[in-house]
Amino acid sequence: AQSVAQPEDQVNVAEGNPLTVKCTYSVSGNPYLFWYVQYPNRGLQFLLKYITGDNLVKGSYGFEAEFNKSQTSFHLKKPSALVSDSALYFCAVRDGDYYGGATNKLIFGTGTLLAVQP
Amino acid sequence: DAGITQSPRYKITETGRQVTLMCHQTWSHSYMFWYRQDLGHGLRLIYYSAAADITDKGEVPDGYVVSRSKTENFPLTLESATRSQTSVYFCASSEGLAVPMDTQYFGPGTRLTVL
Repeated sequence: AQSVAQPEDQVNVAEGNPLTVKCTYSVSGNPYLFWYVQYPNRGLQFLLKYITGDNLVKGSYGFEAEFNKSQTSFHLKKPSALVSDSALYFCAVRDGDYYGGATNKLIFGTGTLLAVQP
Repeated sequence: DAGITQSPRYKITETGRQVTLMCHQTWSHSYMFWYRQDLGHGLRLIYYSAAADITDKGEVPDGYVVSRSKTENFPLTLESATRSQTSVYFCASSEGLAVPMDTQYFGPGTRLTVL
């Protein structure tokens, strides 16, 4: 069964410092991976996705994610954190079907709260 | 450009009552989804729909009913609400054209409290 794990409930970083939010995955078949962000009292907003190709994926708001097949990881990164980046971040993987193919369903991690201090 | 909307945004109800949460999207997306968000669980899929009149269960469907008579609407009904259904509910939609590429877009959520 497909799954993702976000090992940190909370990440604290000072404004201007680089940030990393970790995600590891377990899949049978090709991994299709996503990052979403949730600001307080809002819905989830799509940040970026890895389907195939370059291991470094660039997304919205200056975020990028590095796909690492050998470590089964898909960590979210940003070179310089902003206070406005403080939010809840979710990693997700596309669910598979009985035959090992991909479906339209997503499986989400438990989320990581990013707190950026001024 | 309304996108995807949910109503009501907040709802308080009592145990045993029937509650319907509404979801409407203006993109003509084929797929629609209902999730619940609970602390420590992330988002869990309740039901999803591939097209009008086609629905299927997700991870946590018990106690919920869905219908989809029109492409743009996907209501979620709690037939007899229980305290364990207190949660934040999110609706999402996706085009459904190319599975690996397909991106889900989320509504603003409905915070439901069952007393």
